[in-house]
Amino acid sequence: AAGVIQSPRHLIKEKRETATLKCYPIPRHDTVYWYQQGPGQDPQFLISFYEKMQSDKGSIPDRFSAQQFSDYHSELNMSSLELGDSALYFCASSFGQGTYEQYFGPGTRLTVT
Amino acid sequence: TQLLEQSPQFLSIQEGENLTVYCNSSSVFSSLQWYRQEPGEGPVLLVTVVTGGEVKKLKRLTFQFGDARKDSSLHITAAQPGDTGLYLCAGEGRGAQKLVFGQGTRLTINP
Repeated sequence: AAGVIQSPRHLIKEKRETATLKCYPIPRHDTVYWYQQGPGQDPQFLISFYEKMQSDKGSIPDRFSAQQFSDYHSELNMSSLELGDSALYFCASSFGQGTYEQYFGPGTRLTVT
Repeated sequence: TQLLEQSPQFLSIQEGENLTVYCNSSSVFSSLQWYRQEPGEGPVLLVTVVTGGEVKKLKRLTFQFGDARKDSSLHITAAQPGDTGLYLCAGEGRGAQKLVFGQGTRLTINP
C-alpha cells in the first residue's frame, strides 16, 4: 500500500537560510499534519490542513509557513533557520476531518549548522 | 493542556519475558492510538482503541482502553528482539486535528 512520501529525507542548512519540506499524502487522504520531533522527544504538532485550508495550528514559529495544494500535497517553508530548528520533521495524513488515525511519513531530518 | 504520561520510559528485558506499558491521562480521550517508531523513521500506527474497556490484539500485542477512556495499556507476551523500539501512545488534543503524544517507552529486548 502507498504510504506518505516526504522529501528530502535529509537536509543540511546554515543559520539564517531557508528550507522547504515537501509531503505527499496517501492517495485519497485529504488532511495533512506536520510534526517536529527533537532528539529524544515525542513529536510536537505544528500545523494541519484539511481540504487545502489550515485546520489547526500548534507550536509553529512565525518563521515557518505551510500550505496544502490542489493535489493535496503540502509544503512546510522554514525561513531564518536557527540551530534549534534541527530536528526530524514528520508529515502525516488521514482521510476526513476530525479523524485521529494519522499515518506518518518517514520524516525529513533537518540539520542547521 | 491534555497530557499523556507513559510508563516506564525505559524498559530492558530478556527475550521471552512479558511486559506492560502504560499510558495515563487525567483527561478523557475519544480514542487513543499506539505507534511504534524506529530510530530516524516515522511512527507506525499499530492500533486505535475507541470504546471504553475495548481490548484489541495484534499477534503477541494486546491493547486495552480504560473504561473511563483516560488510560490505555500495551501488553507484550513472550517478547522478541524484533519488538525493540520506541512505543508511543497518542490521543487527540484540544482542537480538531492534532495528536498529543506521550513521552514514549523505549523498549529493548535482549536475546
